[in-house]
Amino acid sequence: DVKVTQSSRYLVKRTGEKVFLECVQDMDHENMFWYRQDPGLGLRLIYFSYDVKMKEKGDIPEGYSVSREKKERFSLILESASTNQTSMYLCASNSDREIDGYTFGSGTRLTVV
Amino acid sequence: SQKIEQNSEALNIQEGKTATLTCNYTNYSPAYLQWYRQDPGRGPVFLLLIRENEKEKRKERLKVTFDTTLKQSLFHITASQPADSATYLCARRYSSASKIIFGSGTRLSIRP
Repeated sequence: DVKVTQSSRYLVKRTGEKVFLECVQDMDHENMFWYRQDPGLGLRLIYFSYDVKMKEKGDIPEGYSVSREKKERFSLILESASTNQTSMYLCASNSDREIDGYTFGSGTRLTVV
Repeated sequence: SQKIEQNSEALNIQEGKTATLTCNYTNYSPAYLQWYRQDPGRGPVFLLLIRENEKEKRKERLKVTFDTTLKQSLFHITASQPADSATYLCARRYSSASKIIFGSGTRLSIRP
């Protein structure tokens, strides 16, 4: 069964901390994405990557950075966590075969206190 | 700008009836639309993709339509069951590559 694995289901961090959210996919997908999901705002794209060492900003990149050193791994970094970054974070991947849709991880619920 | 809207935040129907969810898009017609199911606290799960040149697509009890005149997709679940209760999201492609944007979702509740 194909999988996107996010390292933590729940995370509590303090304001100002540097936070790393890890995502690994085992499907050899070219494309990987980070979204955050908030009530009433839906899924919003933070960053995405089409290839190793390649990244592009999504709709809300401020306060975040990403790293893709290997094809299977895409990390989201909160440089200095703030309370408004409390959210559900979802990683997804897909191949260039659009008909397959996105495969999402189970999500990381991050709380910044 | 390209937008996608799901007008109904919530829909409650009786078990056995057909649930119909609506997705509207603005601007030019996307090459395709996708539908996902999301359960509470979980990531969305891909259900179906329909291309703009396909009027209708079916998968078991699911049926999706694509009307480029109305700029709308309808998602139907026939013979609905309580297990179908979830939030359903539609998504459209951006103008470039594999990036898509999601609607805000419709929370479907099927009562026994």
